Order: sequence, then structure tokens, then C-alpha cells
Amino acid sequence: EPEVTQTPSHQVTQMGQEVILRCVPISNHLYFYWYRQILGQKVEFLVSFYNNEISEKSEIFDDQFSVERPDGSNFTLKIRSTKLEDSAMYFCASSLTSDKVNEQFFGPGTRLTVL
Amino acid sequence: QKEVEQDPGPLSVPEGAIVSLNCTYSNSAFQYFMWYRQYSRKGPELLMYTYSSGNKEDGRFTAQVDKSSKYISLFIRDSQPSDSATYLCAMSADRRGAGNNRKLIWGLGTSLAVNP
Repeated sequence: EPEVTQTPSHQVTQMGQEVILRCVPISNHLYFYWYRQILGQKVEFLVSFYNNEISEKSEIFDDQFSVERPDGSNFTLKIRSTKLEDSAMYFCASSLTSDKVNEQFFGPGTRLTVL
Repeated sequence: QKEVEQDPGPLSVPEGAIVSLNCTYSNSAFQYFMWYRQYSRKGPELLMYTYSSGNKEDGRFTAQVDKSSKYISLFIRDSQPSDSATYLCAMSADRRGAGNNRKLIWGLGTSLAVNP
């Protein structure tokens, strides 16, 4: 069964450093998302991406964040200068088009720890 | 008022029990309703997906949506220890344009333990 994969599973970084979180969505999906989940809190939407551009972003997704689909398979989230409050689980998700657009399938997540 | 509210539990039931999980919401624009299961330190796994009001059944799972009350439920029949997980509701509006993107708004999740 096709699945979303994410690397690394755990990333530890120093405050102020740049991190890149990587995702490989399900191959025939067209819509891509990043969410995050701070420990003990709700899952929060960060950004959605379609047709090689951002289609929606939340208030969390400020100038420190960027997304890219560098090739036909990868989808990345970059945080330019990490803050302590960026520590969270980051989930990538993907979905198909038309009626299936909102069945979003999630990867296992990357646990980001900012020290 | 919070957009989506969900009792975090924990909920503990004996094996074989019927489990009822629910969420309330405030945004009347929500049309898509999902239930996800999340095991510890794993990503959310899509269980059920419902558009607008009504019931949907899949094996031991039944999802119900009552838009007039802004209330959704997930029922698990004949619960098993392997059902022990956190169950999250998520929903989104029927927003056209911008590639039909629909961000998900989440509940906090209910922690369920099914005891053998």
C-alpha cells in the first residue's frame, strides 16, 4: 500500500540553525501539506501546496518557513532560523484531486528538537 | 469559542465494549469530517471520511455527522486492545478555488485504552 514517508525521524538542532525536513508524498497525489503538533497540543495546519505553489498558509508559516518541491517526488519544509518554540512533530500529508481531495494521508512525522 | 472541541479523556473500556467518541464544532462552513487514529509517536491514520451530514459505516466503525447540532461521533463496536490509541477528529470547509485545497482543523484527540 502506498504511503507518505518522511526523513529524518528525529532532528536535533541548535537555536538559530536552519533545518530541512523531507517528505515523499504518495506518487499520484497532487496536493501536499505540512502540519505540526506541539507536545500535548492540537495538530496545526502550516501550509498547503498545489501546482508548484503555495495555495494557503497559516499565521504560523512566517518568513522563516519555506516549502519546495525540488523534483517529482520530494516535498520539503525549510525553517531558516529555528527557535525553541519550533520544537514539535512535523507531519507531511498528501491527497488526490477531485472528490478525494480531502482524504489526506499522513507520514510518520519528524520530531524536531531545538536546543 | 474554539473551532473544534474534543474531550481528551482518557477513556478506558473493557474489550468488546462499544466506544463512543465525539467532537463539537462552531464553524458552520465545515462540510468534510474525518476521524484519524494516532498511535504513540506515529502519524495520524485516516479511519473515516464523511461529507456533510449522515452516517457512514466501515466494519466495526461508524461515523455520524449532525450538522444541525454541529456534532460528530465515531462509534467502535466490539472494541479490541489494538484499538487503543488517540482518536482525532478533523474537519474542513467546502472551499472552492486555489486548487480545491482544504486545510484541516483538528480536535485535541481522545486517548482510548481498551483493556483485555
